[in-house]
Amino acid sequence: AQSVTQLGSHVSVSEGALVLLRCNYSSSVPPYLFWYVQYPNQGLQLLLKYTTGATLVKGINGFEAEFKKSETSFHLTKPSAHMSDAAEYFCAVSERNTDKLIFGTGTRLQVFP
Amino acid sequence: ETGVTQTPRHLVMGMTNKKSLKCEQHLGHNAMYWYKQSAKKPLELMFVYSLEERVENNSVPSRFSPECPNSSHLFLHLHTLQPEDSALYLCASSQDLAGGPGGEQFFGPGTRLTVL
Repeated sequence: AQSVTQLGSHVSVSEGALVLLRCNYSSSVPPYLFWYVQYPNQGLQLLLKYTTGATLVKGINGFEAEFKKSETSFHLTKPSAHMSDAAEYFCAVSERNTDKLIFGTGTRLQVFP
Repeated sequence: ETGVTQTPRHLVMGMTNKKSLKCEQHLGHNAMYWYKQSAKKPLELMFVYSLEERVENNSVPSRFSPECPNSSHLFLHLHTLQPEDSALYLCASSQDLAGGPGGEQFFGPGTRLTVL
């Protein structure tokens, strides 16, 4: 069965520092990959997605992620954290021709001034 | 209204009550979903509808009953719930089912349900 692992349930960075949120998946074929962000008392908002083509994907709010097939990873990065980036981030995977989106357990990002 | 809307945003109910959660998508999508989000647990997929037909039911207790009268509306009918059912219930929609290229899901703000 497909699974998604997000290493680190909590990540803390200083404002202006690099943000790195890790996501690894298990799949026998290249899946579709997504990162979502959830702010308090809100639903999930799509940050970016990988379906095919270029492996470095740029999303909203300055985030990007790179699909690395050899490492089965899709880590999320942002060069410089902003206070407004504090939220919970979810990695999700879907296998082609299935009807399920499998979510990781989430990583809560804290940004300190 | 744009995107995916959910009503009510907050709901408190007793164990013997019957209530319904409503979701509406204004995106012209073909698939709709119900998820349960509990503290310290992964997002749990409850139901999937594609073109108004249920395609997934993840062993959800019968006290949760979904209804999809058309491709824009999705309901979750609740009856005789338990305190452990307290959670954030999220609705989502997508152009295609998850395994298609248009499978990214757009979420509503959720209904915070508390069962006393």
